[in-house]
Amino acid sequence: AQSVTQLGSHVSVSEGALVLLRCNYSSSVPPYLFWYVQYPNQGLQLLLKYTSAATLVKGINGFEAEFKKSETSFHLTKPSAHMSDAAEYFCAVRSSGATNKLIFGTGTLLAVQP
Amino acid sequence: NAGVTQTPKFQVLKTGQSMTLQCAQDMNHEYMSWYRQDPGMGLRLIHYSVGAGITDQGEVPNGYNVSRSTTEDFPLRLLSAAPSQTSVYFCASSYGGTGGYGYTFGSGTRLTVV
Repeated sequence: AQSVTQLGSHVSVSEGALVLLRCNYSSSVPPYLFWYVQYPNQGLQLLLKYTSAATLVKGINGFEAEFKKSETSFHLTKPSAHMSDAAEYFCAVRSSGATNKLIFGTGTLLAVQP
Repeated sequence: NAGVTQTPKFQVLKTGQSMTLQCAQDMNHEYMSWYRQDPGMGLRLIHYSVGAGITDQGEVPNGYNVSRSTTEDFPLRLLSAAPSQTSVYFCASSYGGTGGYGYTFGSGTRLTVV
């Protein structure tokens, strides 16, 4: 069975500081990995995805993530946090098999302090 | 292009009542899923469908029913509402196959069972 683990349910950074949100996955087959963002009282928006084309993936709003197979990780980073980045972030894994189910981590709430 | 449309946006039910949450997509996506979101638990998969006429259970299917008679629609039925079903429900859709496609989410239905 596939799963993802997000370390840290709450992360707080200062405006302008590095953002690092951690995600580790478990998968018996090559995974597709995703990061989604959810702003308050809204649905989920795709930030970026890994589909085996390149290990460093760039997404919207200046975010990027690096796929590291040896560490089974897909951490999300942004060099300089902005107040508008405050939101909840979800890592997800999708099976490359027939069912294509998308399985989510428990989320990380990012707070950005002025 | 409306994407994924969920109705209603808000609903209050009494314990024991039944209702149907509607979900429609206009992107000709094969895959559709229902998730519930609860604080600290991320998004948990209730039911999913890989095409018209084909549905299967996710990790938390009890108390819910689905059907997929058309590609566009994937309603979620609550058979006899319980307070434990108070949650935010999201419908999502995606292309199938091995392309690592991300899911597109609706804006959610906030359900309260009293």
